[in-house]
Amino acid sequence: KQEVTQIPAALSVPEGENLVLNCSFTDSAIYNLQWFRQDPGKGLTSLLLIQSSQREQTSGRLNASLDKSSGRSTLYIAASQPGDSATYLCAVIGNEKLTFGTGTRLTIIP
Amino acid sequence: DAGITQSPRHKVTETGTPVTLRCHQTENHRYMYWYRQDPGHGLRLIHYSYGVKDTDKGEVSDGYSVSRSKTEDFLLTLESATSSQTSVYFCAISERGSTGAGNTIYFGEGSWLTVV
Repeated sequence: KQEVTQIPAALSVPEGENLVLNCSFTDSAIYNLQWFRQDPGKGLTSLLLIQSSQREQTSGRLNASLDKSSGRSTLYIAASQPGDSATYLCAVIGNEKLTFGTGTRLTIIP
Repeated sequence: DAGITQSPRHKVTETGTPVTLRCHQTENHRYMYWYRQDPGHGLRLIHYSYGVKDTDKGEVSDGYSVSRSKTEDFLLTLESATSSQTSVYFCAISERGSTGAGNTIYFGEGSWLTVV
């Protein structure tokens, strides 16, 4: 059974800093990995999708990497802003289903 | 944003009553999913559909049933609601299942259900 872990569960950083969020998974037989953002009381917004054949994807200040062999993905956020405060979730896609991590709650301190 | 509409968005119901949540999509995507999100558990798959009238169970399917009579609609039914089913329910869609380039999963805004 696939298990996805995100550590730390919560993170606070001053505005302007670069930061890395971590995601690890136990079964490397995945097809895609997707990073989401969730604001309080809201749904999930897709940030980046990395296909299994790719090693990284970039969108603006966000960069996600994938290392299938080690079962790890990272989400790098450059020059953090207060608007980046949210919960970030990773999900691995395999066998017709997604398996989610429990998320990292990020707070950017102005 | 993907065209996904969930209804109702908020509902309070009594234990033992039936409840149906509706997910409507305008993207003509083949796959549709129902998840629940609870503190400490994250998002867990309840049921999913890979086509009209084609559905399968997820990891927490007990007490839930689904139906998909049209591509655009996926219904989640709690036959007899219990307090343990108080949760936030999310519908999601994708064009393909596990394979395929750029197969992004899109989520609805959620349905908050309270069973008293």
